[in-house]
Amino acid sequence: NAGVMQNPRHLVRRRGQEARLRCSPMKGHSHVYWYRQLPEEGLKFMVYLQKENIIDESGMPKERFSAEFPKEGPSILRIQQVVRGDSAAYFCASSAADPQDTQYFGPGTRLTVL
Amino acid sequence: DQQVKQNSPSLSVQEGRISILNCDYTNSMFDYFLWYKKYPAEGPTFLISISSIKDKNEDGRFTVFLNKSAKHLSLHIVPSQPGDSAVYFCAPSPPSGAGSYQLTFGKGTKLSVIP
Repeated sequence: NAGVMQNPRHLVRRRGQEARLRCSPMKGHSHVYWYRQLPEEGLKFMVYLQKENIIDESGMPKERFSAEFPKEGPSILRIQQVVRGDSAAYFCASSAADPQDTQYFGPGTRLTVL
Repeated sequence: DQQVKQNSPSLSVQEGRISILNCDYTNSMFDYFLWYKKYPAEGPTFLISISSIKDKNEDGRFTVFLNKSAKHLSLHIVPSQPGDSAVYFCAPSPPSGAGSYQLTFGKGTKLSVIP
């Protein structure tokens, strides 16, 4: 029973490039959440999605960041024109039918912007 | 504005002794409190939780205590084992229907259990 999967595990980009982070939720889970952990900080909520819907993106930076969870395929967190300050660990979590259910986290993608 | 504070960045404990990890919060709207454990290069793993209507929840070697009036909770691990060495995050959430899925994580406490 596979857990939450994220890829790539490590991603290196130069300033100005695009970063695409993928997340496949646990089997049977329909709620996906993205969190970001900056160095020496706790995880911060970014966005909550269900299939084909963004439910809450109040934690997302207003520019350059977008997220989707298509009907088929993984959830994607996209960062355009990356800057050094985007370097962080990005974690995806999923929960079952109810958003109050326990969130199970993936291993994270560590983004490094050169 | 830190709503969740874990004031001890690190803690070292002898194997077999008790580990006590503390967490303070400022938002009185928090209604449900979770602890996650994180190993290097892995995502956080859910450990134990407590609802605001309780003051204690126990699961095996892990017990969480909640003092709502003091806005303080603690995680007790007894006896501590070397495999417990990890970073522990306190993560409260608001009540149902109020963005309850938005976990607010503290900065974490790195626990080292010495054999």
